[in-house]
Order: sequence, then structure tokens, then C-alpha cells
Amino acid sequence: KAGVTQTPRYLIKTRGQQVTLSCSPISGHRSVSWYQQTPGQGLQFLFEYFSETQRNKGNFPGRFSGRQFSNSRSEMNVSTLELGDSALYLCASSLIPTRRTLNGNEQFFGPGTRLTVL
Amino acid sequence: GEDVEQSLFLSVREGDSSVINCTYTDSSSTYLYWYKQEPGAGLQLLTYIFSNMDMKQDQRLTVLLNKKDKHLSLRIADTQTGDSAIYFCAEQDSNTGKLIFGQGTTLQVKP
Repeated sequence: KAGVTQTPRYLIKTRGQQVTLSCSPISGHRSVSWYQQTPGQGLQFLFEYFSETQRNKGNFPGRFSGRQFSNSRSEMNVSTLELGDSALYLCASSLIPTRRTLNGNEQFFGPGTRLTVL
Repeated sequence: GEDVEQSLFLSVREGDSSVINCTYTDSSSTYLYWYKQEPGAGLQLLTYIFSNMDMKQDQRLTVLLNKKDKHLSLRIADTQTGDSAIYFCAEQDSNTGKLIFGQGTTLQVKP
């Protein structure tokens, strides 16, 4: 079974631009969560999507948005990029929404997209 | 608020045991996780423990949970150079299910 895939793997943008990152979850998984990883702030939760609906949202400005398609693939968008948005963006998929954990929610992470904002 | 703390660095010799420690704050967390991140890679789930357990063993990995002190540890027996990586402890927010990660512990294994 293929793992979580994220595209592109690396991206360089300039301040003020916008960017769209893509995540394809493991086949059969319907929940997709996004995390931002930076040296200063560590790993921080952005949002979670399940059945095309945003279920949870972290403490990020409105410039960060996402969506999920009917095939469970998810995209996240960052508008008006700032230097501080440079990070590794990780996507994680799980079978069920992360809140409904009965046997321990196994979230499987993709390799990430490394975004550099110049 | 929710917070997860880890020491930042651990260095051991190949063949020794490694113990990585973590403290968390959300006493209602139901599951606690250990993830491994190798350079340039995403996070790999190593193991997790349910909050009503004290210990879980999985091959070379042993997780100990002291719920009273909100302390979690990961012991790696017979540490190998391939175990060199960053190890993240995470608690699961009991309301939203999101993962709250520690800063990560860099494990250096010397031959």
C-alpha cells in the first residue's frame, strides 16, 4: 500500500506570493491533517479535514487555508507569503477523524514539502 | 495550556541503551506517541501507549508512562547508528484529537 505522498517536495517562493501544497493520503484514509515544522516553533497543527469538511483548526492566520476533495486528497494554500512561513509542511493521514480514537489514532506522515520564502 | 517538554539532545555509544524523556500537561490525554524523524524525512510513528497502561514493549522499544507525574519515556535497547534521528513525543488533545508535539530530542549514536 502506498504511503502518504506530498507534492512538490521543495518549493521556493518570494514574499507576497501564494502557494498551494498537495497531499494524497493512504488509500482508504479519509482524514488529513496538516502540520508546520520550523526550528523555532517546532511542530504545530494547522488543520484537519475529514469528508471534505474542516474538523479542527490551529492558531494560524487566515492566510493559511485548505480544502479536501471527494477522493480525500487535500490541498493547503498560503497567501501573501511572509519570510516566517518558510518551513517544512507535513501532511498526515488517518483512517478516521483524529478525535474518534478508539484504539489509538495512527497518523501516518508524508515526507513533507520544504517551502522557502525569499 | 497544553505543553510537551523534551530534552534536546542525547548522545550514546552503539550498543548502549538510550532513554528519551518527555513530560506533558494534559492529564486527560488518552494516547501518547513517539515519532522518529530522520534527516530530510517526515515523521515515522514508532509506538504509542494508552493512558491506562504503565508500560508497552515492542522489540527494542520500551515505553514507560507515569501518569501521576505526567512523564513518558522511550527506551531503545542496543542502540544502533541507524537509530540516530530526532525523536518526538506527542500527546493527543482530548477534545480535538490533534497531536501536540514536544521540541524533539536529537539522538546521536557514536560507533
